[in-house]
Amino acid sequence: IQMTQSPSSVSASVGDRVTITCRASQGISSRLAWYQQTPGKAPKLLIFGASTLQSGVPSRFSGSGSGTEFSLTISGLQPEDFASYFCQQADSFPYSFGQGTKVEIK
Amino acid sequence: QVQLVESGGNVVPPGKSLRLSCAASGFTFSTYPLHWVRQAPGRGLEWVATISSGGNNKYYRESVRGRFTISRDNSRGTLYLEVNSLYSEDTAIYYCSRTIREYDYSYMGDWGKGTTVTVSS
Repeated sequence: IQMTQSPSSVSASVGDRVTITCRASQGISSRLAWYQQTPGKAPKLLIFGASTLQSGVPSRFSGSGSGTEFSLTISGLQPEDFASYFCQQADSFPYSFGQGTKVEIK
Repeated sequence: QVQLVESGGNVVPPGKSLRLSCAASGFTFSTYPLHWVRQAPGRGLEWVATISSGGNNKYYRESVRGRFTISRDNSRGTLYLEVNSLYSEDTAIYYCSRTIREYDYSYMGDWGKGTTVTVSS
């Protein structure tokens, strides 16, 4: 299953709302996760099951979608949110990630 | 708390082998499936392999099947990845990760810091 994210990068300011989309090449129900990665660090799980916030993740992060179209929204960007974001399908093996979206400071 | 510590990465010439390890602590190791995920320099995340909690079921990406072997020792709390016939395209940071739920393969909730494999002559 191919996962396609858009955009590949986005420039935004602190306080902005940012939405990243992820499209699956075939239906995956709600079996999708979002990860955040800052440079030099391991990825961190933000959302699983398309919309369930992982414990400890701020509520400004939200996820939606099912089937083939998904989105991650950050409402009110904070300085620590400037990072790369990846979607991952967990519907069937081989698991696959999107190519990533880099959220940069404008 | 959950800790995953990878080791075994090195600089090796093409065609050679390595064994990567991931030492786990802070949870009941034998009840969680585990994953290896890699990231080539400047690139995105790439799922490599998954093993079931008991070790009987194993899944691989196509490009490593037959060259890489995932295994685990539940008595030692350690995950392994035997990597053979290495290509330059295998150069990456290799992360081990634990699923968020016991016996459920799906999502990668805890990650190690990674170990670096560089394939170069």
